[in-house]
Amino acid sequence: GQNIDQPTEMTATEGAIVQINCTYQTSGFNGLFWYQQHAGEAPTFLSYNVLDGLEEKGRFSSFLSRSKGYSYLLLKELQMKDSASYLCAVMDSNYQLIWGAGTKLIIKP
Amino acid sequence: ETGVTQTPRHLVMGMTNKKSLKCEQHLGHNAMYWYKQSAKKPLELMFVYNFKEQTENNSVPSRFSPECPNSSHLFLHLHTLQPEDSALYLCASSQGTDGNTIYFGEGSWLTVV
Repeated sequence: GQNIDQPTEMTATEGAIVQINCTYQTSGFNGLFWYQQHAGEAPTFLSYNVLDGLEEKGRFSSFLSRSKGYSYLLLKELQMKDSASYLCAVMDSNYQLIWGAGTKLIIKP
Repeated sequence: ETGVTQTPRHLVMGMTNKKSLKCEQHLGHNAMYWYKQSAKKPLELMFVYNFKEQTENNSVPSRFSPECPNSSHLFLHLHTLQPEDSALYLCASSQGTDGNTIYFGEGSWLTVV
């Protein structure tokens, strides 16, 4: 079966760096997405990786290793507003999105 | 503002009621989706429409009935729901269904009593 694994919850300190991991087993691969979802709000698109390597976008970076079925989202200079759930999703060979259950990130002062 | 608007934001309904969720996208996309989001579970894809035609129905019970009159509007008609159907229902849209980023509305919180 198809599966996406990510930690349920993480805690980090304001100003620090945190890495949220995502491992996947899917039928084929057409890219990996990261979304941010604040409580009670819409998931919003953060990044898309289809080739191996690191994509940097301001304070957020996303890394992909297709051979290892692994990605991470790196958040630097954490701010209180970064407290949210982070959703990892993989697009399989049929262009279906397979979703992880999300990682709830708690930022402490 | 995400470009995808859902109403109502909150809905409480009895098990014998009939209600509808509405979604409108202002992004010029041609694909629209309904997802169910329950606490601590992955998003569950319910229905996909591409150019108004339903292309995906993920074994959703018939008490959920979608309607897509055009590429900008999507409805989810609800009838005889169960308490376990209480969840956040998310509408989303994308430009095509082959690998394009999907954009979500803020969701409709449904409570079935």
